[in-house]
Amino acid sequence: DQQVKQNSPSLSVQEGRISILNCDYTNSMFDYFLWYKKYPAEGPTFLISISSIKDKNEDGRFTVFLNKSAKHLSLHIVPSQPGDSAVYFCAASASSGAGSYQLTFGKGTKLSVIP
Amino acid sequence: ETGVTQTPRHLVMGMTNKKSLKCEQHLGHNAMYWYKQSAKKPLELMFVYNFKEQTENNSVPSRFSPECPNSSHLFLHLHTLQPEDSALYFCASSQREWIKSSYNEQFFGPGTRLTVL
Repeated sequence: DQQVKQNSPSLSVQEGRISILNCDYTNSMFDYFLWYKKYPAEGPTFLISISSIKDKNEDGRFTVFLNKSAKHLSLHIVPSQPGDSAVYFCAASASSGAGSYQLTFGKGTKLSVIP
Repeated sequence: ETGVTQTPRHLVMGMTNKKSLKCEQHLGHNAMYWYKQSAKKPLELMFVYNFKEQTENNSVPSRFSPECPNSSHLFLHLHTLQPEDSALYFCASSQREWIKSSYNEQFFGPGTRLTVL
């Protein structure tokens, strides 16, 4: 049973427009959320995160929004650039019970930014 | 280049073979991780080492055997694997294992694509 869901496997956006990537989660114990970006033949790289005590975090062109009541978060990229074309993974964390935090990932959304 | 290297990048092995995946990090980190990504599935955590001690084993079959001889190196020894073990295996490292209120960014290696015949 997937606890972190990215329901759109792919998304195409025109250069300069906004990209919105969505993520839903089911575990109410999650209290930290992250987005990772992955280019082909490379490992995921950390992009931006948000704590459950906030509803928005912004870093340059990237903004993450968290709606705890809906168990939903989204990543906005404005303006989108061709170099943003990659697979974006949503991840969430909760204590493993042994006191440490583990990341639970979604399957990813492949973003294509068209020049 | 994230400072985390993995070798080999591609590996094909038979079910009776013994092979090892190697990970090395040049970031001075103290926590290292193995993740598995099967086709059409999300990344799944397999093992965590913190200061060379294994702290997490997420119900991984014993045919996968991790080894962490020092904080810079992590191995995944493979023995009598099954075709369903074919996947991408990622190593990651962070300053230390993530405990509450002290998020430590994980840096991932490029992965090893494993095919079990």
